[in-house]
Amino acid sequence: KAGVTQTPRYLIKTRGQQVTLSCSPISGHRSVSWYQQTPGQGLQFLFEYFSETQRNKGNFPGRFSGRQFSNSRSEMNVSTLELGDSALYLCASTFTEGRGLGGGYTFGSGTRLTVV
Amino acid sequence: TQLLEQSPQFLSIQEGENLTVYCNSSSVFSSLQWYRQEPGEGPVLLVTVVTGGEVKKLKRLTFQFGDARKDSSLHITAAQPGDTGLYLCAGAFLYSGGGADGLTFGKGTHLIIQP
Repeated sequence: KAGVTQTPRYLIKTRGQQVTLSCSPISGHRSVSWYQQTPGQGLQFLFEYFSETQRNKGNFPGRFSGRQFSNSRSEMNVSTLELGDSALYLCASTFTEGRGLGGGYTFGSGTRLTVV
Repeated sequence: TQLLEQSPQFLSIQEGENLTVYCNSSSVFSSLQWYRQEPGEGPVLLVTVVTGGEVKKLKRLTFQFGDARKDSSLHITAAQPGDTGLYLCAGAFLYSGGGADGLTFGKGTHLIIQP
C-alpha cells in the first residue's frame, strides 16, 4: 500500500513569505502529526489531527498552523517565514487516535524548507 | 515538558562489533518507540515497547524498556555497514486526565559502521 506522501519535497522561500505543505496519510489512517526536524533541536512536535480536529499542539508560535480534511489529508501553513524556520518538516500517520497508545507512526519523506 | 536524553550522540565502530544506545528520561512514558532514519528520508519505525521490563528482538537488534518505563536501550550485535544511520528514540506520554502530547524525540544517535 502507498506510504505517507508529502509534497513538495523541496521548497525555497523568502523571509516574510508564507508556505503551505501537504501530507496524504496511509489509506485508512485518521491521525496525522507534523514534526519539525533541525540539526540543533532534532525532531519537535508541531501538532496532531484526528478526524479533522486538532488534538494536540506543540510549543510553536501561532505562525504555525494546520488543518485536516475529511479525507484525512492534512496541510500545515507557516506565515511570515523566518530564517529559523528552515528545516525538514515531517508528517506521520497512524490508525489510532495516537495519544501514546503504543501505535507506531509511519513517516513521510518530508519537505525540506529553506528560507532565504 | 518531557525530555529524552539519548547517548551517545555519535558512534563510529568497526563491522562486527557490538554497541548499545541509551535513552533516558525523568518522566514515565506510556510507550517508547525506536526509529531509524537515513539521509533525506523520514524515520522508519523499528519497534514499540509498552510494558516495563519488556524486551523485544529484531534480528541482531535488542530493545529493552526499563522497569520504571523511564529509560530504554537498543543493543546491536555484530554491527554491519547496513546498520549505519540515525537512531531515534521517541516517547509517548499520557496525562492522568487522558490528554496527551505528541511523541517526544531524543536528539538521536548518529551511527557509522565501518567495513
